Amino acid sequence: QKEVEQDPGPLSVPEGAIVSLNCTYSNSAFQYFMWYRQYSRKGPELLMYTYSSGNKEDGRFTAQVDKSSKYISLFIRDSQPSDSATYLCAMKGNTGNQFYFGTGTSLTVIP
Amino acid sequence: DVKVTQSSRYLVKRTGEKVFLECVQDMDHENMFWYRQDPGLGLRLIYFSYDVKMKEKGDIPEGYSVSREKKERFSLILESASTNQTSMYLCASIPGGTDTQYFGPGTRLTVL
Repeated sequence: QKEVEQDPGPLSVPEGAIVSLNCTYSNSAFQYFMWYRQYSRKGPELLMYTYSSGNKEDGRFTAQVDKSSKYISLFIRDSQPSDSATYLCAMKGNTGNQFYFGTGTSLTVIP
Repeated sequence: DVKVTQSSRYLVKRTGEKVFLECVQDMDHENMFWYRQDPGLGLRLIYFSYDVKMKEKGDIPEGYSVSREKKERFSLILESASTNQTSMYLCASIPGGTDTQYFGPGTRLTVL
């Protein structure tokens, strides 16, 4: 079983839709949770960072962590064509420098 | 603005060649990483370094080595390139005390 599971999609939505992206994980030691956005032919860039359980909001983006279910989500409100990218979840424990990534979900927002 | 640069965007090499991929960051970050990214497999850690001349193996170090002689530069070496090393290679760096990874643009390596 992989440490982190993420549905690869592809996901295609109309402009203005609410998008929900999800990851599940198996390691209960994970404490730090991240979402990265990766545009085509570019490196990933950090979008959201959360510690432990709870919600975090930044503009149109909301990250949720449910540690009891080992499930994290990224919600995008009022999606825009510029949100079209691959979204990667990542996580790590309290010790060490190793990050564990999902495989990424490809999102297309249609104008 | 943090900048992580990689020596090449696209590289084509032949089987058996020695390949050097270079990564440079300009923000005095302690930690640097090399990943490869393959469809359906995501990012997999090859090696990371937490200081000059220090390195640790990641999940898939076989066939690779690394060098960190200066803090700003982290090199990935393919001693004898093979076709199964065709991939996108991503370098990242992290400032000490944080978990924010800054990625370079990637090098798409094709081994023929």
